[in-house]
Amino acid sequence: QKEVEQDPGPLSVPEGAIVSLNCTYSNSAFQYFMWYRQYSRKGPELLMYTYSSGNKEDGRFTAQVDKSSKYISLFIRDSQPSDSATYLCAMANAGNNRKLIWGLGTSLAVNP
Amino acid sequence: GAGVSQSPSNKVTEKGKDVELRCDPISGHTALYWYRQSLGQGLEFLIYFQGNSAPDKSGLPSDRFSAERTGGSVSTLTIQRTQQEDSAVYLCASSLTSYPYFGPGTRLLVL
Repeated sequence: QKEVEQDPGPLSVPEGAIVSLNCTYSNSAFQYFMWYRQYSRKGPELLMYTYSSGNKEDGRFTAQVDKSSKYISLFIRDSQPSDSATYLCAMANAGNNRKLIWGLGTSLAVNP
Repeated sequence: GAGVSQSPSNKVTEKGKDVELRCDPISGHTALYWYRQSLGQGLEFLIYFQGNSAPDKSGLPSDRFSAERTGGSVSTLTIQRTQQEDSAVYLCASSLTSYPYFGPGTRLLVL
């Protein structure tokens, strides 16, 4: 079993839909949680960063961490075609917060 | 520049040749990472540099791979005697805190 599991998709939604992207993990020591967006032929770019549990909102994006269920989510409201990309989750534990463990990424297509 | 830069952006080489990939991190970032990304394989950690500490080389797949970071800044990833399975995108990232900023990557194709 991988430490971080992420459904690769592809996920296809109509423009304006609410998108839910998820990762599950097995290591209860993880404290740092990140979501990256990667456009085709580009490097990943940081979208959201959360420490420990709770929610964080930034514009149309909301990140949720449920440590009791070992489950993190990224919600995208009012999705746009420009949101079409691969979304990667990453996490690290408090003792070694530089050693990130990555999900495989979920491919999202938002159709106009 | 404001971001992480990598060169070359694309590299085509013949099996058995050596290649060098360069990374210029964001100025002031103390940590530098190399990752490899293959289709459907996700991000594979290769090596991590932090300041003057000994690098974490635990992700290097074989002794054909090596990396150095000079003066705490620029880094070079060297692959000796390239094999076709080395074909991938090589991503460099740098950070000051817990989350790395990535460069655009070098696409390596070994024929």
